[in-house]
Amino acid sequence: KNQVEQSPQSLIILEGKNCTLQCNYTVSPFSNLRWYKQDTGRGPVSLTIMTFSENTKSNGRYTATLDADTKQSSLHITASQLSDSASYICVVSAGLRGSYIPTFGRGTSLIVHP
Amino acid sequence: DTAVSQTPKYLVTQMGNDKSIKCEQNLGHDTMYWYKQDSKKFLKIMFSYNNKELIINETVPNRFSPKSPDKAHLNLHINSLELGDSAVYFCASSLSKIAGGEDEQYFGPGTRLTVT
Repeated sequence: KNQVEQSPQSLIILEGKNCTLQCNYTVSPFSNLRWYKQDTGRGPVSLTIMTFSENTKSNGRYTATLDADTKQSSLHITASQLSDSASYICVVSAGLRGSYIPTFGRGTSLIVHP
Repeated sequence: DTAVSQTPKYLVTQMGNDKSIKCEQNLGHDTMYWYKQDSKKFLKIMFSYNNKELIINETVPNRFSPKSPDKAHLNLHINSLELGDSAVYFCASSLSKIAGGEDEQYFGPGTRLTVT
């Protein structure tokens, strides 16, 4: 069964600090891995998308890494801002039946305090 | 200039009723999706359509019937609503003809459905 596990479940940090969120997956056959940011009451917004051959991708202060051998990904947030307070969701897609079926993690809830 | 829009934003109804949620995208994308987010914020894909053709149908009860009149619209009709259908439903779209591929997906604002 395809699964995506995220840790920690929640995280509180001070503004300006860095943090790293983790994602472990057992999805086969692996196609791509995405990180989304979801603000309360809104739809998810894509941060990064990585395929098997990519091991790092950045989007501003967000940097995602992928280790396809250990089936782990991380999302590093640099110099956090209050607006980074949100849920961060890891999604891993398996290539099946001519399309790509996503499996979602339960998200990490990040709170940035001033 | 909203990219992906959904109506209504909130929907409160009683068990046994039939309701529809509408989704429209003005991005010119070929593929559209419906996702369900439960009370624990867990997202799960329900359907995907590419240019009016059903591509993904992930173990969703047949009380849920998506309808795509054209590639810019994907509506979700739900018959005989149950308490467990209470959730936030998100519509999304992506450019690629291959559902769930490497293209970025753009999500709508969500429709919060409450069944009483």
